[in-house]
Amino acid sequence: DAGVIQSPRHEVTEMGQEVTLRCKPISGHDYLFWYRQTMMRGLELLIYFNNNVPIDDSGMPEDRFSAKMPNASFSTLKIQPSEPRDSAVYFCASRYRDTGELFFGEGSRLTVL
Amino acid sequence: AQKITQTQPGMFVQEKEAVTLDCTYDTSDQSYGLFWYKQPSSGEMIFLIYQGSYDEQNATEGRYSLNFQKARKSANLVISASQLGDSAMYFCAMRADSGYSTLTFGKGTMLLVSP
Repeated sequence: DAGVIQSPRHEVTEMGQEVTLRCKPISGHDYLFWYRQTMMRGLELLIYFNNNVPIDDSGMPEDRFSAKMPNASFSTLKIQPSEPRDSAVYFCASRYRDTGELFFGEGSRLTVL
Repeated sequence: AQKITQTQPGMFVQEKEAVTLDCTYDTSDQSYGLFWYKQPSSGEMIFLIYQGSYDEQNATEGRYSLNFQKARKSANLVISASQLGDSAMYFCAMRADSGYSTLTFGKGTMLLVSP
């Protein structure tokens, strides 16, 4: 079975541009999580979904960030407009039900110049 | 609120030796799970081992074992017979066993294994 698939793996953009990160969770997993990893703050949970419904978005830093999950096999994290402080690795992860470990994608490394 | 503390920013170990990575946690939940993940330089997060709060036996997975001391709220990872490929960042994490629970991660420990 394929793991969590994220795209793009690397993104370099200029301040003010819109950035869209994409995620395909593992088939059958009903939870999807977006994390951000930086040296200063470590791994932070941004938002998570259960059965495509956003459950907790309290980790989303600002209104510039938005996430959607239009169906069980696809989610996006959008930053508009992007800023240099958004530079980080963004991970998508999925999980089956309330138990078990999180399965992570390989991450999307974002650099905002 | 849950909190994970990893006090060792970095650890060095020689190949074939055992190493213990420390993790302490704080939670008011009675039922919870503890996890360890490995992040090599390539960046992916790899699940290593899981311990449930009600598990009486310490979890083991190959060369990995989790030294779980519930009263002290510690969940240290023990890697036996270290290999060069074990060099990576290691994260401790926990999750309450209540509905809609999420993983809270520690800051991580960088392990370097030397020949």
